[in-house]
Amino acid sequence: DQQVKQNSPSLSVQEGRISILNCDYTNSMFDYFLWYKKYPAEGPTFLISISSIKDKNEDGRFTVFLNKSAKHLSLHIVPSQPGDSAVYFCAASRSNFGNEKLTFGTGTRLTIIP
Amino acid sequence: NAGVTQTPKFQVLKTGQSMTLQCAQDMNHNSMYWYRQDPGMGLRLIYYSASEGTTDKGEVPNGYNVSRLNKREFSLRLESAAPSQTSVYFCASSPRVYSNNSPLHFGNGTRLTVT
Repeated sequence: DQQVKQNSPSLSVQEGRISILNCDYTNSMFDYFLWYKKYPAEGPTFLISISSIKDKNEDGRFTVFLNKSAKHLSLHIVPSQPGDSAVYFCAASRSNFGNEKLTFGTGTRLTIIP
Repeated sequence: NAGVTQTPKFQVLKTGQSMTLQCAQDMNHNSMYWYRQDPGMGLRLIYYSASEGTTDKGEVPNGYNVSRLNKREFSLRLESAAPSQTSVYFCASSPRVYSNNSPLHFGNGTRLTVT
């Protein structure tokens, strides 16, 4: 039972345009969400997070939006750059828990076309 | 500053063989983790150590053992490898485990194949 779903295995976007990566979750108890980015032959690195008390969090070119009623979050990258080509993992956890209950999605491979 | 270092990078085992994956972090983090990543699945937690001297099971602990040797080092042992344990293994660390706001720092992974 995949509680965190990334339904698009891959996405290609032109350099300079907006990249939108989507993530859906089924467990209504999830209230903290993170995005990790992974380059080939490297481990994932933390990118950005959002708590359920917010609906948006921004860090430079990266913005995460949370729609609690739809159980949906998205990561926007504007403008997209070649170095953004990577696999992006969405992850979710619950209040009163931490990393020991972190649930990851299956990842979306983003390719930025120069 | 190396962060999280895993050895080896690659390993091929025959069914029934044993091996230990090594992990060390130099960020003075309290908590360490072992994950596996399989095609079509997200990262799944095998074991974690909230602090030196403690270890706990994660989502998929069967077939594995761990040792938190000291604050820096956390090893994962396969006593009798099975083909189902073919995977990419990631070690990670964080300042603390029982907190949402404590992002994971990952090593570069060990690609293990069991034939």
